[in-house]
Amino acid sequence: SQQGEEDPQALSIQEGENATMNCSYKTSINNLQWYRQNSGRGLVHLILIRSNEREKHSGRLRVTLDTSKKSSSLLITASRAADTASYFCATDAIKAAGNKLTFGGGTRVLVKP
Amino acid sequence: AAGVIQSPRHLIKEKRETATLKCYPIPRHDTVYWYQQGPGQDPQFLISFYEKMQSDKGSIPDRFSAQQFSDYHSELNMSSLELGDSALYFCASSLGGGAQETQYFGPGTRLLVL
Repeated sequence: SQQGEEDPQALSIQEGENATMNCSYKTSINNLQWYRQNSGRGLVHLILIRSNEREKHSGRLRVTLDTSKKSSSLLITASRAADTASYFCATDAIKAAGNKLTFGGGTRVLVKP
Repeated sequence: AAGVIQSPRHLIKEKRETATLKCYPIPRHDTVYWYQQGPGQDPQFLISFYEKMQSDKGSIPDRFSAQQFSDYHSELNMSSLELGDSALYFCASSLGGGAQETQYFGPGTRLLVL
């Protein structure tokens, strides 16, 4: 199975509500990154959290990382219709060479106005 | 700020044809990654280059090859195209080939093989 898996697969909320999605991974990592993808478009980098960090904030985004449970969560507060997108976590596994990202399954978020 | 540039943005090919996708990294970035995203799937790592040398290889078919040039741009060459190659192909770049560097993605090239 994949390195990263996301939960839930889909989320529908009202504008103004918070959206929380989770990501689990299997191997030891250097860092974990969250990306947003609007339908069939490019991946927009949201936030990077390093393996020695536990929580990070960026605007309305809050990311947590629990390396003991190999999991991360992304919280979007006060959601807006423009936040409608798919959200992916991506991990950068510790290895001798290379820095490839392994993506999770993605959570499709629909924010209804 | 300058972003990763990919060309073409859309490409339609017939089976068994060849295709070349180009990627121009963010200025000063020396590392390029290629990913493939099939319909409704996660992006999957194909191959990466650091300072013009291949640094890692993922699930890239033997029919595909890639290289990074002296100006750090990269090209992904795809031959004997199959229907299953239809996907969104992303290039990403970062500064330095090491860990803990953010990868910035281009807008992708949408390839359709008929």
